Amino acid sequence: AQRVTQPEKLLSVFKGAPVELKCNYSYSGSPELFWYVQYSRQRLQLLLRHISRESIKGFTADLNKGETSFHLKKPFAQEEDSAMYYCALTGSGGYQKVTFGTGTKLQVIP
Amino acid sequence: GAVVSQHPSWVICKSGTSVKIECRSLDFQATTMFWYRQFPKQSLMLMATSNEGSKATYEQGVEKDKFLINHASLTLSTLTVTSAHPEDSSFYICSARLAGGYSYEQYFGPGTRLTVT
Repeated sequence: AQRVTQPEKLLSVFKGAPVELKCNYSYSGSPELFWYVQYSRQRLQLLLRHISRESIKGFTADLNKGETSFHLKKPFAQEEDSAMYYCALTGSGGYQKVTFGTGTKLQVIP
Repeated sequence: GAVVSQHPSWVICKSGTSVKIECRSLDFQATTMFWYRQFPKQSLMLMATSNEGSKATYEQGVEKDKFLINHASLTLSTLTVTSAHPEDSSFYICSARLAGGYSYEQYFGPGTRLTVT
């Protein structure tokens, strides 16, 4: 069974401080990992995916297969980063269902 | 582009009645739509995958006779909660995938808050 774990329900950091949102997964094959974000009063949207190895809005995430983790990081938090962040997983190939974690609310304190 | 709408945004119904929720892809064709349920402070739980012109595929534990899904066109899928009970109160979210797109390339609707009294 595939499972995504986000241990923190809420993460509060000061503006300018580094951010790390934790995500661990369980999957028997080769997963594809993603981060989705939901800003206040907006709908859920894809933030980034591990395959593309891109940096979006200053966020990066590295897939660590040894630790089965896909933590989301940003060196300097901004107030506009405050949102709900969901880690998600799907099977390789990209056509299988997406499993979401429980989400972490990031609160950036001015 | 790639906007998904849901209607209604919130609905209150009495126990025993049925409620229909619509999910529309406004500016693209979606051969596949997904229906999720989200309880407060919990994750999105996939209920079913809806493919245009065919029967929906339900996840384990989801009652197909209670949650009727119809995907009659490339831009519309509906979820009908039949004989609703208070425990069906939840936030229902749909998403649509571009024709030929990967599963993670889902565009989400704003959600529908259902309250059953």
